[in-house]
Parts: sequence; structure tokens; C-alpha cells
Amino acid sequence: DAGVIQSPRHEVTEMGQEVTLRCKPISGHDYLFWYRQTMMRGLELLIYFNNNVPIDDSGMPEDRFSAKMPNASFSTLKIQPSEPRDSAVYFCASSLKTPNSPLHFGNGTRLTVT
Amino acid sequence: QQQVKQSPQSLIVQKGGISIINCAYENTAFDYFPWYQQFPGKGPALLIAIRPDVSEKKEGRFTISFNKSAKQFSLHIMDSQPGDSATYFCAATSGYSTLTFGKGTMLLVSP
Repeated sequence: DAGVIQSPRHEVTEMGQEVTLRCKPISGHDYLFWYRQTMMRGLELLIYFNNNVPIDDSGMPEDRFSAKMPNASFSTLKIQPSEPRDSAVYFCASSLKTPNSPLHFGNGTRLTVT
Repeated sequence: QQQVKQSPQSLIVQKGGISIINCAYENTAFDYFPWYQQFPGKGPALLIAIRPDVSEKKEGRFTISFNKSAKQFSLHIMDSQPGDSATYFCAATSGYSTLTFGKGTMLLVSP
């Protein structure tokens, strides 16, 4: 089991550019989560999916953020246009049967928007 | 009512000492309290968890103490080691809800 795989590990982009973060969850896991981590706010849940269906996107900060899960093995988080305040570490996580089963996190994508 | 308040924000402990991190919650419906450990450059990983039917759970050097009446729970790391240096997150949840995380505690264990 390779765990949750995120790409890229680091992303540096200029303000106004589109950013796409990618995630491959653990095979067989029913839930997928996108979190954002900053020093000020800690871990924030942005959105989560159950069986590829978005369940709660109330944590998505603005319309500039969107997430998709076209199949059970792939999800994307897109920011368009990006702003400096979006700079953070973005984590994808998956869990097996319930939204509070042990979460398995990827190693994150560190996004820097200049 | 969904908040979990975690303290301290950072902690420095000498090798061999006891590290203590505290969390408090308000939602009395919470019934599952996990702790996650995060090393630099990695995602958080489940360390230990407790349900409110017990007041304490121990796994090796890590112990969760739970006080239901006070709505508080804490993580104790006995004989702290430099390898324990990490960020620790408490969390709480109930039923089929997602985890509510505390803001984290950066622990540094000095050699």
C-alpha cells in the first residue's frame, strides 16, 4: 500500500495563475478529504467526498477554489486565480468507512503564490 | 460549539521528561477523541485515540487522559525523546461527522 499520493510536492506560482493539486487516495477508501494547513489557522477542512460525491464543501474559502473527484482513484483541487493568501500546505487524506475513521494523509503540497 | 481548544501552542521538554498537551471541547455529543502526530514535511498520522467510556488509554509511552465532566482530554508523553519532536493535533468527533481539529502543539524535545 503506497499510501495517499499527492503531487506536486511543491508549487510556486505567480498571483493570478491557475493551480491544480492532485491526489490519489488509498485504494478501497470511501472518503477523500482536502485540508489546508497554515500556522495561523491550523488544519482546515476544505471539502470531502464520499464515493466520489462531494458531501460538504462549506470549508472552501471562495469561488476561486474548486474540487473534483472523477473516479475513486483521483481527485483535484484547483485554485483559479491564485492569490498570495492562498499560500499554505494542502493535504489530501482518505479514510475507509466513515468520515472519522483513521485519516490517512498524504505528504502535502506546499503552495507558494508570489 | 464545534471548537476544540488546544494548548500550549508550543512546548520544549528535556529528554526524559514528560510532555503534556491539553485540549478542551464544548460539544457534549463528541464521542471519539483521536490524537494525530505530524513530523516536518509529512502529513499527520493517527497516534492514539480514546472514547469517553474510559478515563485513560495507554500505548507505550503515550497516554490519553479523559475528563468527561470537565470536557477536557490530554496527551502525556512519558520519557520524551528527541524523536518525539513533532506537531501534535487533538481532534474530536461524533457519529458520522468529520474530525474537528485543535490548532496543534509544536513539541521540541531537547537532547
